[in-house]
Amino acid sequence: DADVTQTPRNRITKTGKRIMLECSQTKGHDRMYWYRQDPGLGLRLIYYSFDVKDINKGEISDGYSVSRQAQAKFSLSLESAIPNQTALYFCATSDLTSNQPQHFGDGTRLSIL
Amino acid sequence: AQSVAQPEDQVNVAEGNPLTVKCTYSVSGNPYLFWYVQYPNRGLQFLLKYITGDNLVKGSYGFEAEFNKSQTSFHLKKPSALVSDSALYFCAVRDTGGFKTIFGAGTRLFVKA
Repeated sequence: DADVTQTPRNRITKTGKRIMLECSQTKGHDRMYWYRQDPGLGLRLIYYSFDVKDINKGEISDGYSVSRQAQAKFSLSLESAIPNQTALYFCATSDLTSNQPQHFGDGTRLSIL
Repeated sequence: AQSVAQPEDQVNVAEGNPLTVKCTYSVSGNPYLFWYVQYPNRGLQFLLKYITGDNLVKGSYGFEAEFNKSQTSFHLKKPSALVSDSALYFCAVRDTGGFKTIFGAGTRLFVKA
């Protein structure tokens, strides 16, 4: 089983709909992240959480919200989806040591029509 | 502010030849540097990291990277490329006092048989 699991893997929806992307992890890491990947732009940080009571905005948080339901679960919501939120979304985890790499899920491909 | 540049959108190399994927960075303090690889429909996978010490870092699948402080570079290398190395490669930087990772835009490596 994957250490970081994202659901759904693919989603097509319409403008204005509310969408939730879910992430769960079995690595026991405290830190969790949501990124967005667009061609030619690399990964951009949307939100991050260092523990269940800690939520922080990243560089592109407008139009998104998150919920850290438990140490192992971190969900991303688009309250009212718009076409320019069409992208590949990744959840990642890391432990408390800053010199350790992040561990990524396999992504959710989101298309907003 | 931290930044990462991957100057090449794509690198083409013949199988068996050496490969180099370039990365330069800017960070206020001492850097932690990472390389990740992304295969189609998968999340990013960690390849190697530079924390401190020896400037030549060895990682997974025969890859290595050379840290050059004066040139602020961290180029990814492999002595003999394989067709299976074809993928998207990301360089990333994190300053030693921080927790945010900045990713480059990615370089697509194409290895021709």
